[in-house]
Amino acid sequence: GQQVMQIPQYQHVQEGEDFTTYCNSSTTLSNIQWYKQRPGGHPVFLIQLVKSGEVKKQKRLTFQFGEAKKNSSLHITATQTTDVGTYFCAYHWGTGGYNKLIFGAGTRLAVHP
Amino acid sequence: DGGITQSPKYLFRKEGQNVTLSCEQNLNHDAMYWYRQDPGQGLRLIYYSQIVNDFQKGDIAEGYSVSREKKESFPLTVTSAQKNPTAFYLCATLQGGGYTFGSGTRLTVV
Repeated sequence: GQQVMQIPQYQHVQEGEDFTTYCNSSTTLSNIQWYKQRPGGHPVFLIQLVKSGEVKKQKRLTFQFGEAKKNSSLHITATQTTDVGTYFCAYHWGTGGYNKLIFGAGTRLAVHP
Repeated sequence: DGGITQSPKYLFRKEGQNVTLSCEQNLNHDAMYWYRQDPGQGLRLIYYSQIVNDFQKGDIAEGYSVSREKKESFPLTVTSAQKNPTAFYLCATLQGGGYTFGSGTRLTVV
């Protein structure tokens, strides 16, 4: 499976500012998932997108899947200290009935009060 | 966490030792996975299993072994052949949409 590139690697914001992380692939993806990992914790599933141009919202979080299904973004409006953590994108890749999830390297978000 | 129990939470291994990390789930999920996470990095797949008595190597299987004798259990053995085993190990299951992860085991070589 192809790697997905995430940018930026690290973002430092003041509380109340917006934040966006991007996930890019050189090939078309069948789906994209987003996870959040708090410091010292484990990844927690946030959402899955499968349709071209899909946009989904969860409170202050907005997730987008590009029209060409090669990129995705996660936007957080008015960040709070509870948003601190690393955000990973990932996609399902499978062959011959075996499926696995391939992760990007993640974007680490620091929020200063 | 979320029906997946990983133990121990912290594990210390001496050079040349084999150690086994436990992963138990009560979610009745067929597919189970082991990932390794190094500080500040993403997750890399070690092994995965779609059904009992079947498993596949992931991207970094060298120095690791697994078994899947029961649906609920997918233990990972870190062998002495793994030269740099210090990392955070995460077990996960999949059914339908996203993965559910256990709370992880932090392995340190001393």
